[in-house]
Amino acid sequence: DQQVKQNSPSLSVQEGRISILNCDYTNSMFDYFLWYKKYPAEGPTFLISISSIKDKNEDGRFTVFLNKSAKHLSLHIVPSQPGDSAVYFCAASLKTSYDKVIFGPGTSLSVIP
Amino acid sequence: NAGVTQTPKFQVLKTGQSMTLQCAQDMNHNSMYWYRQDPGMGLRLIYYSASEGTTDKGEVPNGYNVSRLNKREFSLRLESAAPSQTSVYFCASRRLAGEYNEQFFGPGTRLTVL
Repeated sequence: DQQVKQNSPSLSVQEGRISILNCDYTNSMFDYFLWYKKYPAEGPTFLISISSIKDKNEDGRFTVFLNKSAKHLSLHIVPSQPGDSAVYFCAASLKTSYDKVIFGPGTSLSVIP
Repeated sequence: NAGVTQTPKFQVLKTGQSMTLQCAQDMNHNSMYWYRQDPGMGLRLIYYSASEGTTDKGEVPNGYNVSRLNKREFSLRLESAAPSQTSVYFCASRRLAGEYNEQFFGPGTRLTVL
């Protein structure tokens, strides 16, 4: 049973519009969340993170929102660019075991010029 | 500064053969990890090493062994490969164990077991 879920395997967005990638988790003990981006034939690269004590974290065009009561987080990309086309992984970890990061299955984002 | 490097990039094995996947990092990180990525499954942790001289099991350790050779190098060994081990394998490192910080990943090794 997946503890971190990304229910949309793929998403297509027009260039310049907002991309919203969603992630749900089942373990209420998770206290740190990360988003990674992966291009084909490359390893994932870290994008942005958020601690459970916050509900929003922003870094340039990327913003992550955390709704603890709903066990839901989302990644907003504004404006979307063709170079953002990649697979995005949501990940979560426990304070008691930061090394054991649980990854979701990923969402493939296509930004159409 | 190469970051995290992995060898080989591609490998085809027959069932029952053995092989070692090599990983090295030049960022002076303390923690290192091995993941496998399968379609629809995300990345799953096989083994990790929080510091030189220590290793621990992750989510899917069966059929694998690891060695933390020194601070830079962390190898993954398949003693008797099985078709279920066909996957893409990623090595990663992290600056500090026990704290919030991100992992840095290598480019991956694509392994096929026939």
